[in-house]
Amino acid sequence: AQSVAQPEDQVNVAEGNPLTVKCTYSVSGNPYLFWYVQYPNRGLQFLLKYITGDNLVKGSYGFEAEFNKSQTSFHLKKPSALVSDSALYFCAVRDGGDAGNMLTFGGGTRLMVKP
Amino acid sequence: DTGVSQNPRHKITKRGQNVTFRCDPISEHNRLYWYRQTLGQGPEFLTYFQNEAQLEKSRLLSDRFSAERPKGSFSTLEIQRTEQGDSAMYLCASSSRGNTEAFFGQGTRLTVV
Repeated sequence: AQSVAQPEDQVNVAEGNPLTVKCTYSVSGNPYLFWYVQYPNRGLQFLLKYITGDNLVKGSYGFEAEFNKSQTSFHLKKPSALVSDSALYFCAVRDGGDAGNMLTFGGGTRLMVKP
Repeated sequence: DTGVSQNPRHKITKRGQNVTFRCDPISEHNRLYWYRQTLGQGPEFLTYFQNEAQLEKSRLLSDRFSAERPKGSFSTLEIQRTEQGDSAMYLCASSSRGNTEAFFGQGTRLTVV
């Protein structure tokens, strides 16, 4: 079975400061890891993914994430937060391979960026 | 717009009624997924189609739920004899073989009163 933990329900950061949203995972095989963002009353928007290769992956809107196999983590980061980054962020995992794309999501972390 | 489209966006129904939702995936995507998201939670997988074949069903998908994807294009999700616990956002996503990320629609919010 695969699982994802997002230990923080909410992260508060001042505009212009760096942000980190934490994610740890558990999967039996090689992990495929994803970050999605959700704005109010909207669906999920893809931000970035880790499949293989460099541990630091870059995505949309200046976000990046670092894969750490030994710590089974995939934390989302941004060097300088914007007020418009305020939203709900979800980390997701699936087992590698081509068995489908069934994702297991974490419970989400609300990011609040204050001006 | 060539994204995933879901209709209706909102549905309010009385307990015991049947409801049906529609999802139109991105046209070249052969894989289609349904997820359910309750307030304050992450999405939970319900079912997966590859073309017209339903290849995976979650234990969350009780016998009151049925999904179809005739001809491997759009999909419908029907809930029979709705219960208040069915109130949630129902999300559809699609992906193509070799494209590992799924793209989500805006969801259908169901309220059972």
